[in-house]
Amino acid sequence: AQRVTQPEKLLSVFKGAPVELKCNYSYSGSPELFWYVQYSRQRLQLLLRHISRESIKGFTADLNKGETSFHLKKPFAQEEDSAMYYCALLGGSEKLVFGKGTKLTVNP
Amino acid sequence: KAGVTQTPRYLIKTRGQQVTLSCSPISGHRSVSWYQQTPGQGLQFLFEYFSETQRNKGNFPGRFSGRQFSNSRSEMNVSTLELGDSALYLCASSFGLQQGTEAFFGQGTRLTVV
Repeated sequence: AQRVTQPEKLLSVFKGAPVELKCNYSYSGSPELFWYVQYSRQRLQLLLRHISRESIKGFTADLNKGETSFHLKKPFAQEEDSAMYYCALLGGSEKLVFGKGTKLTVNP
Repeated sequence: KAGVTQTPRYLIKTRGQQVTLSCSPISGHRSVSWYQQTPGQGLQFLFEYFSETQRNKGNFPGRFSGRQFSNSRSEMNVSTLELGDSALYLCASSFGLQQGTEAFFGQGTRLTVV
């Protein structure tokens, strides 16, 4: 079975502070992991994917197969980072399995 | 390039009724997926279509069905609506996720069942 767990429903940090959104997954094969973001009143959009190993808007995420984790990190949070973040897993089919999401609030 | 378009944006229906939601994918995309988004459960996969064939199905009752047309447009139908079906229904299109391409989401149809 494919499962994605985001343990924090809400996360609040101050501007300039580091932020880490946790994501753990369960999958027997080699998954592809993604982070999606949904800003207020905007559509869900891809933030980054583990295979591209790039930094988007200052965010990075490393796939740790030993810990089955794909945590999203940013060293200095900005107010515009406030949004809903979803971790997602793509297994052997076209089905994306999402976590329940973490609402990030960056306070001034 | 036009994005994924979902119609209608908002719907209010009564319990027991049925509803049809529509999704027009990005031009050239042949894979269309549907998700139900609720505050408590997040995004849950409903089904995925490719070239008019349902390839994947989530764990939803048979009241939820869909189809895809030859132009890749897709419709989702929910029959005998229940209060718990109130949700934001999202559609996503891609060239095919297994090919490493990106899924693009529509803005959703917000369904309220009263």
